Amino acid sequence: KQEVTQIPAALSVPEGENLVLNCSFTDSAIYNLQWFRQDPGKGLTSLLLIQSSQREQTSGRLNASLDKSSGRSTLYIAASQPGDSATYLCAVQAGGFKTIFGAGTRLFVKA
Amino acid sequence: KAGVTQTPRYLIKTRGQQVTLSCSPISGHRSVSWYQQTPGQGLQFLFEYFSETQRNKGNFPGRFSGRQFSNSRSEMNVSTLELGDSALYLCASGWGTSTDTQYFGPGTRLTVL
Repeated sequence: KQEVTQIPAALSVPEGENLVLNCSFTDSAIYNLQWFRQDPGKGLTSLLLIQSSQREQTSGRLNASLDKSSGRSTLYIAASQPGDSATYLCAVQAGGFKTIFGAGTRLFVKA
Repeated sequence: KAGVTQTPRYLIKTRGQQVTLSCSPISGHRSVSWYQQTPGQGLQFLFEYFSETQRNKGNFPGRFSGRQFSNSRSEMNVSTLELGDSALYLCASGWGTSTDTQYFGPGTRLTVL
């Protein structure tokens, strides 16, 4: 059974700091891994999608890496801003078009 | 291009009632997935529909059901509501391939009293 774990559960950093969010999954047989952002009481916004054959994806200040063999992904946020404050979720798409989510990392960036 | 829309946005029901939630996917998308989000359990997969067929189902009781129409719009029904069904219900649409990005709607906040 696929399980997705995110560490840390919460993180508070000063503005301008670079930070890394971690995601691990137990079964390496995945189609893709996706990072989402969720603001309080809102839906999810897709940030980056990494296919199983890829090693990383970049978008602006965000960079996500994927190491399928070790069951790990990281989301790197450069020069963090208060507007980055949100919950970040990672999700793996496994067989049968079922998406499994981690519990999320709640990020707070202090001005 | 319009995003995923969900109606209603907020709903209050009492125990024992039933409820129907609606999701309209992005134009052209044929896959619709439903998720339940609660503080205790996080985001849990309910089911996924593609071209009017349920392709996969999560571990939820039979009180949770869904369907998809020929225009790809989807509905989710919960019968005999329980207090524990209070949650944010999110739907997501996509092209339906394994390399697909999912696009989420804003969710329906269901409160069961």
